[in-house]
Amino acid sequence: QLVESGGGLVQPGGSLTIPCAASGFKFRTSWMSWVRQAPGEGLEWVANINPDGSEKNYVDSVRGRFTISRDNAENSLFLQMNSLKAEDTAVYHCVRGGGSASVFDSWGQGTLVTVSS
Amino acid sequence: DIPMTQSPSTLSASVGDRVTITCRASQSINTWLAWFQQKPGEAPKLLIYEASNLQSGVPSRFSASGSGTEFTLTITSLQPDDFATFYCQQYYTYPFTFGPGTKVDV
Repeated sequence: QLVESGGGLVQPGGSLTIPCAASGFKFRTSWMSWVRQAPGEGLEWVANINPDGSEKNYVDSVRGRFTISRDNAENSLFLQMNSLKAEDTAVYHCVRGGGSASVFDSWGQGTLVTVSS
Repeated sequence: DIPMTQSPSTLSASVGDRVTITCRASQSINTWLAWFQQKPGEAPKLLIYEASNLQSGVPSRFSASGSGTEFTLTITSLQPDDFATFYCQQYYTYPFTFGPGTKVDV
């Protein structure tokens, strides 16, 4: 099970960190990802992280502004978002998978982040 | 980047129909393709991985095939629970990319 929290309304240029609590599987051996979906739009992969946190990858549109991290002791995944833009408005899903040959096989319900003044 | 396309964008069908959705990649992705089903207000659900492998728990009326750049998802006998939006996604290379979706409605 993957449960996101922490979404809300943020002003343009602001920051927000959203956590995801994982349970029911071996979190510490799983690649993890964030995938977002703007209102009424399709799916966009945002970032992923390998099991020990030493490898992180980002889509170009967020690289340098977003940071993915994890705490294996707490079975938690995080997405720190800085310099937020209106186009970052979306439901952010925490997803298991996303490494080499690792499909997105379990999704959280998502948390809505709205960037607006 | 590897853009993904899907056709049709919308598909009107009836219960019992055979439905086929096509997904194309701009370059070869071997068989590193997944299919997802998403219903309104819900998270996407994995149906197919590695182009043709049925995810555990997914009904056998769903099947898929393809390799390289062209892929298909088939629902052999559409059920009321199947009306949703379907997305393909390549995980061959970064950035992972999704197709724009195919909405299957009545």
